[in-house]
Amino acid sequence: RKEVEQDPGPFNVPEGATVAFNCTYSNSASQSFFWYRQDCRKEPKLLMSVYSSGNEDGRFTAQLNRASQYISLLIRDSKLSDSATYLCVAPRFDTGRRALTFGSGTRLQVQP
Amino acid sequence: NAGVTQTPKFQVLKTGQSMTLQCAQDMNHEYMSWYRQDPGMGLRLIHYSVGAGITDQGEVPNGYNVSRSTTEDFPLRLLSAAPSQTSVYFCASTGDRGVTGELFFGEGSRLTVL
Repeated sequence: RKEVEQDPGPFNVPEGATVAFNCTYSNSASQSFFWYRQDCRKEPKLLMSVYSSGNEDGRFTAQLNRASQYISLLIRDSKLSDSATYLCVAPRFDTGRRALTFGSGTRLQVQP
Repeated sequence: NAGVTQTPKFQVLKTGQSMTLQCAQDMNHEYMSWYRQDPGMGLRLIHYSVGAGITDQGEVPNGYNVSRSTTEDFPLRLLSAAPSQTSVYFCASTGDRGVTGELFFGEGSRLTVL
């Protein structure tokens, strides 16, 4: 099983829609998680951190469900500018390695 | 503020050639890393460093070497390029050695090996 798994999409939604992505992780010891946003042919950039039960920032809400080992990202009132790939990220713990593990990403396309 | 700078942005190599991808950061970050990104596979860690003089392998280190002689620079060397190394390479850094915070990425280096 991959350490971090995401539905690759694409999710095609109209402007103004609410869309949610889920991400599952395999290491139950993980304490902190992240959502990164990556625009086409650009570098990933941090969107949100998720440390406890969840985090909200404007139209974006990230939630953590430790019992089921998944993280979700909810985007309300979608904008055309939200079109991007969203990467779910968790820390690695194998052999003391300090690194982040990235999911393959979920592509969102917001349509006018 | 430059952040993380990678060079070159584009490179075409022939099989067997060697080259170095440069990465420099001006944020005094102790932690630096190299990822490669391939379609459908996400970002995979190649090598990382928690400070000058310290490097360690990631999940896909074969065919790559790194060194960290200064805090600012973390070059990635391809010893003998293979078509399987065609990819987009990202360098990233953070001030948090535990890597529990934000990673700052360079703009990427697109490598094609023929």
